[in-house]
Amino acid sequence: QVQLQQSGAELAKPGSSVKISCKASGYTFTSYYISWIKQTTGQGLEYIGYINTGSGGTNYNEKFKGKATLTVDKSSSTAFMQLSSLTPDDSAVYYCARRGTLDYWGQGVMVTVSS
Amino acid sequence: DVVLTQTPSTLSATIGQSVSISCRSSQSLLDSAGNTYLYWYLQRPGQSPQLLIYLVSNLGSGVPNRFSGSGSGTDFTLKISGVEAEDLGVYYCMQATHAPYTFGAGTKLELK
Repeated sequence: QVQLQQSGAELAKPGSSVKISCKASGYTFTSYYISWIKQTTGQGLEYIGYINTGSGGTNYNEKFKGKATLTVDKSSSTAFMQLSSLTPDDSAVYYCARRGTLDYWGQGVMVTVSS
Repeated sequence: DVVLTQTPSTLSATIGQSVSISCRSSQSLLDSAGNTYLYWYLQRPGQSPQLLIYLVSNLGSGVPNRFSGSGSGTDFTLKISGVEAEDLGVYYCMQATHAPYTFGAGTKLELK
């Protein structure tokens, strides 16, 4: 069965970076894009962007350019998202999901930015 | 960015009742190829969102047929024909016709 297993919760200081992972199983990893979504109580769900898991090509929501960097390791069927120059506004739950359809979702990673 | 307005924001229902949720877009979601990229998701308490409906009216894998989607252009509807206890949670619409993809604010379905 299709599964997207994300890494654990992160507590980070303002100005630092975090890198969260999304390990896929149950399907051919390179056949489907991986999308990333941010969820906060205030802003709801926001689409960050996606990565072509075959070519490594990326497409970002303008709002997240410079904030999020998407990469992939095909050998381990894992997608990554690095969030840089963290501020309290980056505190959120971050999900990975398969394709633009978002037909399968990871369990989410809570990122807390606090000094 | 495309704004999706969901109504109502909260919906109270009894088990077995049929309910509808509206999602209105600030722009037409019909693309030049004739496709409409409108999706519906359910997020149960403490869980990740799950896909219910894709491309306006197609049922996601394993989704019960009491769920149905309809609409075109800028007006879309999700209907639940006979609410069950497992349907409680927050429903979101999402559009992927225009970049960036955007979500509605959600409709919370609760028991009356």
